[in-house]
Order: sequence, then C-alpha cells, then structure tokens
Amino acid sequence: QALLVESGGGVVQAGRSLRLSCAASGFTFRSYGMHWVRQGPGKGLEWVAVISYDGSKIYYADSVKGRFSISRDNSQNTLHLQMNSLRAEDTALYYCARGVTPGIYSGYDTWGQGTLVTVSS
Amino acid sequence: QSALTQPASVSGSPGQSITISCTGTSSDVGTYDYVSWYQHHPGKAPKLLIYDVTNRPSGVSSRLSGSKSGNTASLTISGLQAEDEAHYYCSSYTSSGTVVFGGGTKLTVL
Repeated sequence: QALLVESGGGVVQAGRSLRLSCAASGFTFRSYGMHWVRQGPGKGLEWVAVISYDGSKIYYADSVKGRFSISRDNSQNTLHLQMNSLRAEDTALYYCARGVTPGIYSGYDTWGQGTLVTVSS
Repeated sequence: QSALTQPASVSGSPGQSITISCTGTSSDVGTYDYVSWYQHHPGKAPKLLIYDVTNRPSGVSSRLSGSKSGNTASLTISGLQAEDEAHYYCSSYTSSGTVVFGGGTKLTVL
C-alpha cells in the first residue's frame, strides 16, 4: 500500500528558510509525478508545486515561484520542498501527494498526513 | 492563477441528490479533461473521489459521479448519507502547467 510521510515542518521567523521532506514507500516512486499542496488556517486547499517522475518538468504556483524549490531523490524515494524567504502567508499544513496516474496532470490518490509550517513575523 | 469557483455551501436531506459546481475558464476546466474532486474532513488527508472529469478510483462509491460542460465541472452525490457531510474541492490542470483548486464547498446533510 502506498504511503507518504512528511517531515521538516516547524516554527520559523519570516524571511528564513525551511526544508520539507516526504518519504515514500509501497509503490515505485520513480514512476510517479509528485506534488505539494497546502492548506492555510481557515482556508481551502492550495496547490504549491509539481515535479515529474524524472525531474524534467517542474511547475510552481505564482505565490511561491522564485522562493520555493521542489526536488526529488529517486534513489532514496524522497521528495523535498525547499522554502526560502518565508512569509506569514506561507503558514499552512503542507501535504505531499502522488498522482493517481504516472503523469502530472490527473488528481492525487495518495496523500501524506501533512507537516505544519508556522511563519512568525 | 485564479481559484476555480465553487458554491460556499450546499445542503440536502438523506437520500436526496446534490450537485456541486466548479467553474473555471478556457485555460483550465474548459480545455482540459483533468478535473478532479476531493472530499476533505478536518484533520484528515483529502480523499480523491473523481479524476479526469468522470473516473472514480477503486473503492469510491458509485453514488458519486462527475461531469463537465464548457468551463463548468460538476460533482453529483446521489442517495445522500450522513457520512457525506464534509468539505469538497475541485481542481484542474491549467495551460500554464500548474494546477488550480476551487475554494471549497461545505456539504451539510440535514
């Protein structure tokens, strides 16, 4: 059974950096596109970034472009999100998610439990 | 990257059917058949209900169905049950290579 476990969240001051990780197991990680999705307090779901199975395609939401960087290590079955120049509005529960199909276009059938990032001003 | 438009809330009685709409643009919903729907209970991970407009993952009830017409996608839940009470989100692939979610709809089972 596919499983995703996020880590790396915490409380950080505005302007600082944080690196999230997502450990995958139970499926062939290198065959799937992977996404980060977040939910701020009292807000809806917001898509953050995607990386294709081989890392050749990467896209970001406008709200994080230039500050966040998504990457993956297929040898370690791990997904990362490097978050720089953090702002108060980045405060959210961050989920990693796997596409229901190997591509990067369809929905996400496997989600982690989320890791909480709190940015203090 | 404007969010897709969903009604803030919908309600229905047990056994009834409800439909949640999700309106986008020709840059997302109107062009791509990559619309998904999720059920979200607070404190839990979202659950995929529908992908690629009409496809149900294994294990998802046949009471749920998806459709699309023009720039608007819809999720229909028939035979409403108390356990269906939750937040529902749509999402779509966009022409920019990104993904956009709807603002979410709170379903109340009366």
